[in-house]
Amino acid sequence: GENVEQHPSTLSVQEGDSAVIKCTYSDSASNYFPWYKQELGKGPQLIIDIRSNVGEKKDQRIAVTLNKTAKHFSLHITETQPEDSAVYFCAASRADKIIFGKGTRLHILP
Amino acid sequence: DGGITQSPKYLFRKEGQNVTLSCEQNLNHDAMYWYRQDPGQGLRLIYYSQIVNDFQKGDIAEGYSVSREKKESFPLTVTSAQKNPTAFYLCASTGRGTGMIYEQYFGPGTRLTVT
Repeated sequence: GENVEQHPSTLSVQEGDSAVIKCTYSDSASNYFPWYKQELGKGPQLIIDIRSNVGEKKDQRIAVTLNKTAKHFSLHITETQPEDSAVYFCAASRADKIIFGKGTRLHILP
Repeated sequence: DGGITQSPKYLFRKEGQNVTLSCEQNLNHDAMYWYRQDPGQGLRLIYYSQIVNDFQKGDIAEGYSVSREKKESFPLTVTSAQKNPTAFYLCASTGRGTGMIYEQYFGPGTRLTVT
């Protein structure tokens, strides 16, 4: 069946450095790729998304890229700050069917 | 949390008791979902409903039941048949944005502890 692979499962970066999380998807009909941030004890929050007709999208310190041919998409966080520490989930969606990656725990080191 | 409320935030039950988790949304979304999250794990789909009075099993439906009598509400019952019910339960809803894009939003979650 369709799946989404997310790597790495854990990522530690020094404060101020950049972090990159990568996902691959199997369903070539997926047309929407959201990213969620989950803080401890809370529900995931949608932080950025990208549609299949766009290759890159940026919102302040976060950016997403999409390579439809390779079925890869990535989340880039620049100038990381302590509040970026959380679990990040990628997802691939087609209509109202959404499949999530298993998550990346991001640690920002002081 | 995007107009999705879950109550209570923390719930404690004795083993062998059924318990119902509440989920309400005011986003006018047609589809609603229940996920289970275990410590350090990803999201596993329990049940989903695309329309009132209809719902489908997800990947781990055994030991759970749902109802969808109103568009705004999608309660989840954790029955005594669920062998490991202690977990963090997340409700979500999906609404159609522009084009054929469906955006999913999550509630704040309910942490259920069964002893």
